[in-house]
Parts: sequence; structure tokens; C-alpha cells
Amino acid sequence: RKEVEQDPGPFNVPEGATVAFNCTYSNSASQSFFWYRQDCRKEPKLLMSVYSSGNEDGRFTAQLNRASQYISLLIRDSKLSDSATYLCVVTRDDKIIFGKGTRLHILP
Amino acid sequence: GAVVSQHPSWVICKSGTSVKIECRSLDFQATTMFWYRQFPKQSLMLMATSNEGSKATYEQGVEKDKFLINHASLTLSTLTVTSAHPEDSSFYICSTSPWSANNEQFFGPGTRLTVL
Repeated sequence: RKEVEQDPGPFNVPEGATVAFNCTYSNSASQSFFWYRQDCRKEPKLLMSVYSSGNEDGRFTAQLNRASQYISLLIRDSKLSDSATYLCVVTRDDKIIFGKGTRLHILP
Repeated sequence: GAVVSQHPSWVICKSGTSVKIECRSLDFQATTMFWYRQFPKQSLMLMATSNEGSKATYEQGVEKDKFLINHASLTLSTLTVTSAHPEDSSFYICSTSPWSANNEQFFGPGTRLTVL
């Protein structure tokens, strides 16, 4: 079993819809959690850090469930520009573990 | 945010040659840098962790004699792909952070390597 797992998708979602992704992690000692966004042929960029209390940034909401060992990302009122690959990242002991990413296509 | 540069942004070379890729932190010191490889339509794969002043730590399956890493200063790490072959053609990206690895990583723009 991989340490960080994501549904690879693709998720094909109409513009304006709400979409949610989950990411599970297997090591309970994991320390920090992030969502990154990667556009085609570009480097990843931080979308949000994920805190135990949950956090919201505009249309994006991230949550962490330590008991069930998963993090989630919710995108409301999706835009065409949200089309990208969303990477779940977990850190543990100064080691960074990437999920394989979830591809999202927003359809006009 | 912190700025990380990579050079070159793309390179085409003949099979058998060696290619050096530089990763620089422009406005902060980086004791640790990470090197990744990404094949088309696949996920990022961590290759190695580069530590300033000491040997790099390689992930399982990554040949340390093929992918030479040097982190000679607090702002520069280099990855040299030795005797490159077509199967080494990939997108190579570095990342680092002004803080520990448990914080946000800043990525370089990547280097696209094509080996003919």
C-alpha cells in the first residue's frame, strides 16, 4: 500500500459545480499536510496548507481527519481555470511524500 | 514567496553525454533541496534529497552513480545525469524551503531533458 493515495481521476465536472477530492495517508506519524496544484508541463504550486481545524480560502476548503487519516479538498463554484492536477502532499521526519495527483477537468 | 530557479529550462542532448542541471534558491539559504522526475502524464517521483555539505540521500531504485548530486553551497544544488540515454528523457524539478521540509516547498520551474 502506498503511503499517500489519491484517486487519479479524471474528474470531469461542469463549470459552477462543487467537487471534492480525498487523499488518504497510511502513516499516523505524518506531520504536515498540503494540497498543491500542478498545471500541465509546469511545476507544482502550493494551493493550501491543511490544518486540523480545517481552513478555507475563497472557493477552496481543506480539511484534515487524523482519526481516519485523510485530507480533503473541496472546490465550490468551479471555474474553467481550476482544471489542473491536484497533488496531496504529506511530510514526516523531514521527508516529503507526494500522492500521484487527481486530475480535474472543468467543462464549459 | 521564496524564489527557486533552475537552469537550463530545457536541454536536448545526444545519447551518452552528461547533462548538469542547476537548482538555486535566490533569496534564502537552503540546507536541503529535493530532486524529482516526472514522466509525461505521470506523477512526480522523488529521486533524492540533497543536503548541503554532505552526501545526498537517494530513493530506492535511483542509481546514485547515474544521477550525481552536489550541494556545495547553501543556495545551489546540481543534478548531473551521466551518460544520458533516451529513457532518461523527462521533466526534472527541484524544490526547497527556507524552513524545514515540514513547511511549504517552493519548486523550481523544471528542466525538460530530451535525450536523442
